[in-house]
Amino acid sequence: GNSVTQMEGPVTLSEEAFLTINCTYTATGYPSLFWYVQYPGEGLQLLLKATKADDKGSNKGFEATYRKETTSFHLEKGSVQVSDSAVYFCALSDSDDYKLSFGAGTTVTVRA
Amino acid sequence: DAGITQSPRYKITETGRQVTLMCHQTWSHSYMFWYRQDLGHGLRLIYYSAAADITDKGEVPDGYVVSRSKTENFPLTLESATRSQTSVYFCASSVQGNTEAFFGQGTRLTVV
Repeated sequence: GNSVTQMEGPVTLSEEAFLTINCTYTATGYPSLFWYVQYPGEGLQLLLKATKADDKGSNKGFEATYRKETTSFHLEKGSVQVSDSAVYFCALSDSDDYKLSFGAGTTVTVRA
Repeated sequence: DAGITQSPRYKITETGRQVTLMCHQTWSHSYMFWYRQDLGHGLRLIYYSAAADITDKGEVPDGYVVSRSKTENFPLTLESATRSQTSVYFCASSVQGNTEAFFGQGTRLTVV
């Protein structure tokens, strides 16, 4: 079956630090990959996505590249802000059954 | 208002009672999903639906029932609530299964 594994948190950073959250996946078909973000007390919202190998998704300074050879979709941001404090979820949707599967989430706290 | 709405936002119920969580979307998206969010487990898929009258089990369906008589509504029923079903429940919808999913604000359910 499909699964997503992402690095465990929590992650605590200072403002302007570099952020990386690792995500790897297993899938039976050819998945689309997503990063979602959940701010405190809110639902999830899409941060970025990639639908095929070597695609790079980007939004709000965050980037992630779909690496089929390593089955990875790591999230990066070069300079984080306090407002980036949130829970980040890696997710995939398989082309076979369209179920959207999530990783466990990584809590990121950015300190001023 | 356009979007996806869940009700109620908060619910406290007793063990053994039946409770229904509502989800309504205004976009006519084909796919709808129910997830539960628990610390340490991330989001786990309970049930999903590809269209009206089509539903399928996700990762953790036991103790839950869904229906989808209309495209816009996807209620989740706990037939006999247990304490282990205390969680935050999220409903989501998407145009297709492998496109961006839009999430509701969540329902925090406590079973006492």
